[in-house]
Amino acid sequence: KNQVEQSPQSLIILEGKNCTLQCNYTVSPFSNLRWYKQDTGRGPVSLTIMTFSENTKSNGRYTATLDADTKQSSLHITASQLSDSASYICVVSDRGSTLGRLYFGRGTQLTVWP
Amino acid sequence: EADIYQTPRYLVIGTGKKITLECSQTMGHDKMYWYQQDPGMELHLIHYSYGVNSTEKGDLSSESTVSRIRTEHFPLTLESARPSHTSQYLCASSGGTDTQYFGPGTRLTVL
Repeated sequence: KNQVEQSPQSLIILEGKNCTLQCNYTVSPFSNLRWYKQDTGRGPVSLTIMTFSENTKSNGRYTATLDADTKQSSLHITASQLSDSASYICVVSDRGSTLGRLYFGRGTQLTVWP
Repeated sequence: EADIYQTPRYLVIGTGKKITLECSQTMGHDKMYWYQQDPGMELHLIHYSYGVNSTEKGDLSSESTVSRIRTEHFPLTLESARPSHTSQYLCASSGGTDTQYFGPGTRLTVL
């Protein structure tokens, strides 16, 4: 069964600190992996997209890693800001689907305190 | 920011009422999607469309229906709302790549 598991479920950090969010998946065949940020009451917004051959990709203070062998990804947030408070969702695409079908994790709820 | 819009943003309605959730995008995307998301849970695909006059059911069974008469417009209808339909409904679209752009969502509460 294709699944995407994220940890931790929730995380509280102080402003300025770093944090790392984890994503494990069993989706096969694999096309790509995305990290989305979803603010409360809003739709998800794509942060990064990684294909099979990519190990690391950065977008400002966000750095995503991918280990396709172990089927694990992480999202590292550097020097956190209050605006980073949101749900971070790991999304894996199934190469076998012409739809570009996506499998969603439940997200990690990050809260940044001042 | 993606040009995809949903109305209303919030809707509180009584059981048995017919409702239509609107979704429109100005990016010319062929593919459009409807997801249902409960608090703290993952998004579940309930409907999708490859283009005009194309609609398919998603992974999660839903009593809602959709239509795609125009490329930019993908409304979702519930003929008779029930409390079990209370949820957040997210619309998305994608073009040449499979990157999906999401609307802000409609939070539906059925009393």
